[in-house]
Amino acid sequence: GQNIDQPTEMTATEGAIVQINCTYQTSGFNGLFWYQQHAGEAPTFLSYNVLDGLEEKGRFSSFLSRSKGYSYLLLKELQMKDSASYLCAVMDSNYQLIWGAGTKLIIKP
Amino acid sequence: GAVVSQHPSRVICKSGTSVKIECRSLDFQATTMFWYRQFPKKSLMLMATSNEGSKATYEQGVEKDKFLINHASLTLSTLTVTSAHPEDSSFYICSIRVGDAYNEQFFGPGTRLTVL
Repeated sequence: GQNIDQPTEMTATEGAIVQINCTYQTSGFNGLFWYQQHAGEAPTFLSYNVLDGLEEKGRFSSFLSRSKGYSYLLLKELQMKDSASYLCAVMDSNYQLIWGAGTKLIIKP
Repeated sequence: GAVVSQHPSRVICKSGTSVKIECRSLDFQATTMFWYRQFPKKSLMLMATSNEGSKATYEQGVEKDKFLINHASLTLSTLTVTSAHPEDSSFYICSIRVGDAYNEQFFGPGTRLTVL
C-alpha cells in the first residue's frame, strides 16, 4: 500500500531551527509537496520537490532523496506564527496526492 | 497563485437536511476540482474529483448518492451533503491544480459543517 510517515508533533523554540522529516512509499513518484496548515484553515503551499536535492525559499527549505523515499522541511529563525501543522504529500504515478497525517509544530518563546 | 473561494465558510444544520457547498476558482479555469474532508487532527482525505461537464470520480468508501457533486462550469463546483447526519460534521475543502505538471495545488478556505 501507499504510505506517508511524519512525526505527529514537534516542539521548538522561537529563533531556532527545526527539521520535519517525511518518509514515503508510493506507487510511482511525481513530486513531493509540503503544506502549512493553521488550525481551522485550509492548507497553503510551501514547496514542491521532484528532483533530489535542496530547494531553498526564504526561511523554509525542503530536501528530497528519491532513492531513500525521504524528504525534510527545514524551518529557520522560527517565529511564533510558524506554529501550525505541516503536511507532507506525494503525487503518485496517477497524479493522485497521497497525504501524510501532518506534523503539529509547537513554537515556544 | 490561484485564488479559490468557498461558500459558506461555516454552516450548522439539523440532521436530515441537505447542505450545499460552493467552490469557485476565481482566476483559473479549472476543468478538475478536488473535494477533501478533514476530521480534527487528521489528514486530508480525498473524497472525489470533480470534472467539468461530466460525472465526478469518487474515492472508495465515499457514497456518491450522499455527496452530490456538480461541476457545471470551469469556475464552479458544488458539493451537496444530502440527508446530513452528525457523523458528516467535518471540514470540507476544495482545491484546484494548475501548472503543466499539476505541481501547484491551491485550496479554498474550507467549509466547517456541523450537523446537530
